[in-house]
Amino acid sequence: DAGITQSPRHKVTETGTPVTLRCHQTENHRYMYWYRQDPGHGLRLIHYSYGVKDTDKGEVSDGYSVSRSKTEDFLLTLESATSSQTSVYFCATGLAGFTDTQYFGPGTRLTVL
Amino acid sequence: TQLLEQSPQFLSIQEGENLTVYCNSSSVFSSLQWYRQEPGEGPVLLVTVVTGGEVKKLKRLTFQFGDARKDSSLHITAAQPGDTGLYLCAGAGKRASGSRLTFGEGTQLTVNP
Repeated sequence: DAGITQSPRHKVTETGTPVTLRCHQTENHRYMYWYRQDPGHGLRLIHYSYGVKDTDKGEVSDGYSVSRSKTEDFLLTLESATSSQTSVYFCATGLAGFTDTQYFGPGTRLTVL
Repeated sequence: TQLLEQSPQFLSIQEGENLTVYCNSSSVFSSLQWYRQEPGEGPVLLVTVVTGGEVKKLKRLTFQFGDARKDSSLHITAAQPGDTGLYLCAGAGKRASGSRLTFGEGTQLTVNP
């Protein structure tokens, strides 16, 4: 296990409120990723980071922002949550980019009412 | 957009049976990964195949990468209840901005005792 934790594990919020999800790793992996998992869509990349303060967009980045001020922490923020952002969010880490093994956290189940 | 189609989406079999899961695309991938995900947890990497035609075995699981690196299969021999889970394939492909990992929707396998 790569020592990845996500917080919170479950959250219920209302439309229009800001939400921040946290991913914390203890393995000193350079790469960190945020995915969402939805029925019928599989895992889709939201944003990823290839180093401290270095981030890039994934395929479903609209409505999301990220920050990485320390190697071990990667934050995902929903500026104004919408019902379409109800999903299970997974953080992953890796040593050497997309072709390398990705180690996933346990996930955060977010419900936007 | 690189798409990966997995089939079947759902598979329910009896203990001891054999099964094959398929992962197909019209795109060429530089490598392909197989993950297994159990309820309430993140995916865990099973194997990565890199070379066209490559076959890898993991106990009762056999993974094959197509010669053209567009498709892959996972064969399980003598399935056991412990094999139950969501099996995901993920292809790493080249883009102008760097590699990306594209996930299939997954195959939900249930092995009944």
